[in-house]
Amino acid sequence: NAGVTQTPKFRILKIGQSMTLQCTQDMNHNYMYWYRQDPGMGLKLIYYSVGAGITDKGEVPNGYNVSRSTTEDFPLRLELAAPSQTSVYFCASNWRLEETQYFGPGTRLLVL
Amino acid sequence: LAKTTQPISMDSYEGQEVNITCSHNNIATNDYITWYQQFPSQGPRFIIQGYKTKVTNEVASLFIPADRKSSTLSLPRVSLSDTAVYYCLVGDQNTGKLIFGQGTTLQVKP
Repeated sequence: NAGVTQTPKFRILKIGQSMTLQCTQDMNHNYMYWYRQDPGMGLKLIYYSVGAGITDKGEVPNGYNVSRSTTEDFPLRLELAAPSQTSVYFCASNWRLEETQYFGPGTRLLVL
Repeated sequence: LAKTTQPISMDSYEGQEVNITCSHNNIATNDYITWYQQFPSQGPRFIIQGYKTKVTNEVASLFIPADRKSSTLSLPRVSLSDTAVYYCLVGDQNTGKLIFGQGTTLQVKP
């Protein structure tokens, strides 16, 4: 089991560019989440999914989009990158809400 | 969705027991309480989870009173390596949301 994998590990974007952060889990988990963590701050929920084909907004969804076409993958799309989106992005998954939530290693994004 | 409130920071010394309390006044009947630990530049790591009364594992204990409006994470005999941020979460069973609070930064001193 690889667990939760995220790519890329680090990326520099110019303002207005777009990119997709990839997240894959091989544990057949139903629930998947995207969080962002700004320097020195806590984690903020961007989007989450309770199963393939089902997604919903979290606390800070503006500027992002997600899709969940398979159980394994939960990509996060940034359409028009802004400096405010400079952050570390964590993907997480779990089987059920009352089960352990597993986190990926994170993607560090810098928007200049 | 039950919002959580924790102290922003705590200091302790090596070998002491540390108790971090989290308030979650609006917790729903089916919600579970989970605690995570996060070191700098790493993702959060699961510590312990509970529903009511007391739960203990190899690293921590979790105390939950009968009304479940708060919970206390207990770390026995902390070491310098326990310096980290500790988060209390309450999962929303109706929606599937898991929202982190502001966390408690624990500083363990020699």
